Amino acid sequence: GAGVSQTPSNKVTEKGKYVELRCDPISGHTALYWYRQSLGQGPEFLIYFQGTGAADDSGLPNDRFFAVRPEGSVSTLKIQRTERGDSAVYLCASSLGGDWTGELFFGEGSRLTVL
Amino acid sequence: AQSVAQPEDQVNVAEGNPLTVKCTYSVSGNPYLFWYVQYPNRGLQFLLKYITGDNLVKGSYGFEAEFNKSQTSFHLKKPSALVSDSALYFCAVRDMVTDKLIFGTGTRLQVFP
Repeated sequence: GAGVSQTPSNKVTEKGKYVELRCDPISGHTALYWYRQSLGQGPEFLIYFQGTGAADDSGLPNDRFFAVRPEGSVSTLKIQRTERGDSAVYLCASSLGGDWTGELFFGEGSRLTVL
Repeated sequence: AQSVAQPEDQVNVAEGNPLTVKCTYSVSGNPYLFWYVQYPNRGLQFLLKYITGDNLVKGSYGFEAEFNKSQTSFHLKKPSALVSDSALYFCAVRDMVTDKLIFGTGTRLQVFP
């Protein structure tokens, strides 16, 4: 597609369940980012991929969060044993990579609600 | 560490009046600064960026921003506001070590008819 695609757009789950959020970046973009945005806050960095490898995962809050990008395109953010505090909008962005001056292109986000 | 600050949670302006949304930055080295806008239930959209060169940067939808090195500011401006400009605006700085964007807390712009 023309833009960054994220699925699902909305996910409601129960505390303790496992969740997967998917991101399909713009074709040809080698860099992929995951951010989390809580209500009334700015996007908070989680993890950054350059190609297949996680170049920076310093923003992942704990070991319940994990992300993969096995073929250097689609990425999946995985959250184990979800907690109510994980409720937020999870944003994915992509860019050409290796270009410090380039902007990031964001998807519309996946809204996660943990009951 | 790189950071940006947006001192105003909300800015209210009447349609047709000029608007300013403030942003200050703290970086080591030359800053790469960005403005993004978020409309309700939509993803973040790029507005404009400052990398180098002219301190006045022009972007989408008639917005512009002025880079001021002495005041470490990068305020977003528009000469004449529209009701449709009402949205959440984020200032961001590129971290040159990790290649990630670091966002401010956002400013909600409300333009009244």
